[in-house]
Amino acid sequence: EAQVTQNPRYLITVTGKKLTVTCSQNMNHEYMSWYRQDPGLGLRQIYYSMNVEVTDKGDVPEGYKVSRKEKRNFPLILESPSPNQTSLYFCASSLDLAGGPSDTQYFGPGTRLTVL
Amino acid sequence: AQKITQTQPGMFVQEKEAVTLDCTYDTSDPSYGLFWYKQPSSGEMIFLIYQGSYDQQNATEGRYSLNFQKARKSANLVISASQLGDSAMYFCAMRGVYNAGNNRKLIWGLGTSLAVNP
Repeated sequence: EAQVTQNPRYLITVTGKKLTVTCSQNMNHEYMSWYRQDPGLGLRQIYYSMNVEVTDKGDVPEGYKVSRKEKRNFPLILESPSPNQTSLYFCASSLDLAGGPSDTQYFGPGTRLTVL
Repeated sequence: AQKITQTQPGMFVQEKEAVTLDCTYDTSDPSYGLFWYKQPSSGEMIFLIYQGSYDQQNATEGRYSLNFQKARKSANLVISASQLGDSAMYFCAMRGVYNAGNNRKLIWGLGTSLAVNP
């Protein structure tokens, strides 16, 4: 089944404890992205990647890191989480950058993160 | 700057009836894509339908259709024969081609909450 997977789905942690949210897609997609969703603010992009070893900042990158060592995986790293990073996080991927329907982004199931 | 506006925070519809969810957009990009996503209470984000700015026909996917009026910059989602499982948040999103450069970032509206009544 073609899908984007994220783990964990739910996480409660404490301020300053490093964590990683994994993201993996099995569709051979080139483009991957991380978003966070907050009430009243909608979805905002954190980081994106156009291909292996190519990553760049989105709108709200502070406090996050990413890497893209393999095409299928795009982990999100919070080196020192803070309470303002409590949010619902989505990983998304799309086939390529050609434009048109192939740009459709498919989302993982989301990770609900609470930082105490 | 690109912007998506969804003016209906909440909508109600009777089961089996049709409902239209509004979306207006603003962009200076000559080429762009418009997307609708569904987010049920379980939280996942489900892709529903895509419309390209140069598409001559309105997009359709099963019970979902898109009423695309380019001159008015609107891309309303029409759900026919509503079902109880359609109760969810619905988001309109847009991706520019030229202004976005290589970043296929989606610009999102704040969503419409749809409740389907039995």
